Amino acid sequence: GNSVTQMEGPVTLSEEAFLTINCTYTATGYPSLFWYVQYPGEGLQLLLKATKADDKGSNKGFEATYRKETTSFHLEKGSVQVSDSAVYFCALSGGAGGTSYGKLTFGQGTILTVHP
Amino acid sequence: GAGVSQSPSNKVTEKGKDVELRCDPISGHTALYWYRQRLGQGLEFLIYFQGNSAPDKSGLPSDRFSAERTGESVSTLTIQRTQQEDSAVYLCASSPTHVQGPSYEQYFGPGTRLTVT
Repeated sequence: GNSVTQMEGPVTLSEEAFLTINCTYTATGYPSLFWYVQYPGEGLQLLLKATKADDKGSNKGFEATYRKETTSFHLEKGSVQVSDSAVYFCALSGGAGGTSYGKLTFGQGTILTVHP
Repeated sequence: GAGVSQSPSNKVTEKGKDVELRCDPISGHTALYWYRQRLGQGLEFLIYFQGNSAPDKSGLPSDRFSAERTGESVSTLTIQRTQQEDSAVYLCASSPTHVQGPSYEQYFGPGTRLTVT
């Protein structure tokens, strides 16, 4: 079955530091890949996505590239802000070799804290 | 427009009691998903609805868990004879549809935090 492995947290950075959160996946076929973010006290929301190999998803200064050869979808941001403090989840859908109905398989989440 | 709403936001119940959790998806969204998030863990898929049918119930942990959807709108997740291991945040999400190719975004509700004492 599908699975997602995320870099263990928590991650603590100073403002303007470079961020990488690693994500690797296991799936057959060609899944779609996502990063979701959960800000304190808020619901889960989509940050970015990529639907085929070599696609780059980007939003709010965050980027992730779908690398099929390494089965990875690492999240990066060049200069983090205090407001980026949140829990980040890597997820995939599809690629199970059969009908997956779009259900998401999530990683365990990475807590990011950014200090001024 | 209105997003996905869930009620109650918090529920504390005694072991052995039944609970019902409600999800109101975004109007017009045909696909509806339930997930569970245990403390410190990622989200686990529970069940998927397309319209009022549930073609995928593979994530329901036991026969104590059931769900229904009516009017291609509201969904309720029922947990019978609750156990302490059922304590978690239960999240509902909706999307316009499911597709095998590019996936539509799932819009998540705020969740119901269930505590079984």
